[in-house]
Amino acid sequence: AQKVTQAQTEISVVEKEDVTLDCVYETRDTTYYLFWYKQPPSGELVFLIRRNSFDEQNEISGRYSWNFQKSTSSFNFTITASQVVDSAVYFCALGRRPNTGNQFYFGTGTSLTVIP
Amino acid sequence: NAGVTQTPKFRILKIGQSMTLQCTQDMNHNYMYWYRQDPGMGLRLIHYSVGAGITDKGEVPNGYNVSRSTTEDFPLRLELAAPSQTSVYFCASSYNRDRGDTEAFFGQGTRLTVV
Repeated sequence: AQKVTQAQTEISVVEKEDVTLDCVYETRDTTYYLFWYKQPPSGELVFLIRRNSFDEQNEISGRYSWNFQKSTSSFNFTITASQVVDSAVYFCALGRRPNTGNQFYFGTGTSLTVIP
Repeated sequence: NAGVTQTPKFRILKIGQSMTLQCTQDMNHNYMYWYRQDPGMGLRLIHYSVGAGITDKGEVPNGYNVSRSTTEDFPLRLELAAPSQTSVYFCASSYNRDRGDTEAFFGQGTRLTVV
């Protein structure tokens, strides 16, 4: 069975602090994909990153970085020097390889509030 | 590109009424999905489709019907609306083939209230 757990329901940080959003996944697939999405207060879902199961390289994009560790089945997301515009709900998702039915499994989201 | 387009953006229904949420995508994606989002519950899959003519149930399909007559369109039908169907609904699409795949692209959402 596929499952994504985001144990942090809500996080509040003061602007310029670093914050890490945790994501733990479960799958028996050997090929899979991991994603992060951002949902700002306006409500749309914005794609942030995709990672393949065979690529454990960490990735950095500006103030955002992602740490993928297969050994702990985790795909954590760190925002450095947080800003008010980072306030949003963040979803982690697990994607399956094609021809396996439903493709995406989402966590329940972490609501991040950045206090000015 | 328009991407994934959902209509309407807002709707209020009375209990027992029916309606169709429209969803269309112009990216030639084979997979399409309907999710509902409720506070504290994340995105829950209602129905999905792997291609024209093929649909399947997701986690919470009761009270909803879908069809996929074309690659582009994936309407969600609510029959006999109930207050429990008050939610924000998202349509999404993705391209999933053996030699290539994408993330899910989402529509802007439909906020539905059943009173």
